[in-house]
Amino acid sequence: DAKTTQPTSMDCAEGRAANLPCNHSTISGNEYVYWYRQIHSQGPQYIIHGLKNNETNEMASLIITEDRKSSTLILPHATLRDTAVYYCIVRGSSNTGKLIFGQGTTLQVKP
Amino acid sequence: DTAVSQTPKYLVTQMGNDKSIKCEQNLGHDTMYWYKQDSKKFLKIMFSYNNKELIINETVPNRFSPKSPDKAHLNLHINSLELGDSAVYFCASSQELAGGNEQFFGPGTRLTVL
Repeated sequence: DAKTTQPTSMDCAEGRAANLPCNHSTISGNEYVYWYRQIHSQGPQYIIHGLKNNETNEMASLIITEDRKSSTLILPHATLRDTAVYYCIVRGSSNTGKLIFGQGTTLQVKP
Repeated sequence: DTAVSQTPKYLVTQMGNDKSIKCEQNLGHDTMYWYKQDSKKFLKIMFSYNNKELIINETVPNRFSPKSPDKAHLNLHINSLELGDSAVYFCASSQELAGGNEQFFGPGTRLTVL
């Protein structure tokens, strides 16, 4: 079973920031938070991951709370092409590598 | 160049048939995976191979047999296909690194069993 809880769906206006929350209250000390997204009919795409510090890359920012029990993925300027299902996944650093996907959040970016 | 490729993209077949799906990655990764996404869109790991050795088998029926001829290829053979095998199958690869890794997914193979 997935170790994360996400809202089922969210809307965002084009050009605005999209903030996608994730709860992972049972996260262990050596587990990372990963975000992937799946655009309709395509394979999942890696976005970002972090352990305890906030992270930023060309796609998004990841904000992890100090107690690590929740995090937020931020798409700073959402476009229509960001419409997708976004998955928040908790994964250890030395496990067998599998990703356990939950139901994710369906983000609809609207004009 | 496509990083992770799968063939075929679509596969329609009759119940009871045997079929194979091929996956190749040109990223030089050591680990490859097969995931299944059913009609309810749940994405679930099936198998993982590291350097041609099986490291994950998620209680998949033994009608499914992965084969890794080399670390760049992980093929999935399915015997005696059933209606419930209809799904989209995704192949992925990664290189395990300290600090986590990124899995690269293929475009998927949509299998329809009639």
